[in-house]
Amino acid sequence: DGGITQSPKYLFRKEGQNVTLSCEQNLNHDAMYWYRQDPGQGLRLIYYSQIVNDFQKGDIAEGYSVSREKKESFPLTVTSAQKNPTAFYLCASSEGHSYEQYFGPGTRLTVT
Amino acid sequence: GNSVTQMEGPVTLSEEAFLTINCTYTATGYPSLFWYVQYPGEGLQLLLKATKADDKGSNKGFEATYRKETTSFHLEKGSVQVSDSAVYFCALRDTGANSKLTFGKGITLSVRP
Repeated sequence: DGGITQSPKYLFRKEGQNVTLSCEQNLNHDAMYWYRQDPGQGLRLIYYSQIVNDFQKGDIAEGYSVSREKKESFPLTVTSAQKNPTAFYLCASSEGHSYEQYFGPGTRLTVT
Repeated sequence: GNSVTQMEGPVTLSEEAFLTINCTYTATGYPSLFWYVQYPGEGLQLLLKATKADDKGSNKGFEATYRKETTSFHLEKGSVQVSDSAVYFCALRDTGANSKLTFGKGITLSVRP
């Protein structure tokens, strides 16, 4: 079955620690995205990548970093510089930047 | 810049009631419009879309018509089911090779038996 996997589903960290969220897709999509979802806020774009070894900042990139070394993988690191890291993080992919986006099941990160 | 405004929620309906969820947008170009649905504990799924004025998107009994004159894309369903309980997001993507999706805040729909 083709799709997007995010792991783990729930993640807990102590304040001051960096944490990396996994996103893998086997849809052979060129573009991948990371969004953050907060209650009542909708989705906000953190980073996106249109091809391997290239990525761009979205609307709220501060305190986050990404890499795109392989087409199928787009991990997101939440650094200790992110002031409010507790949120639901969604990864998505699409054939190209103007095509329909398919979403993964999300990772809920809690930082205490 | 682009923006999407959804009506305030949450919305609670009885099964078989008529549903309308309002969505209006602001965009500089001629955007494509989308409704996404998020079931509890899951990611988002595309529900329907419309790419130009007067287009009607439809899926699973839901419909929305792209109204350029009122900059709206209201979601409707004639008879909701308990299984429609979810969060609904309106979104737009403006024209251009590097255009991004802009989402509304989402609205929670609860349908009671």
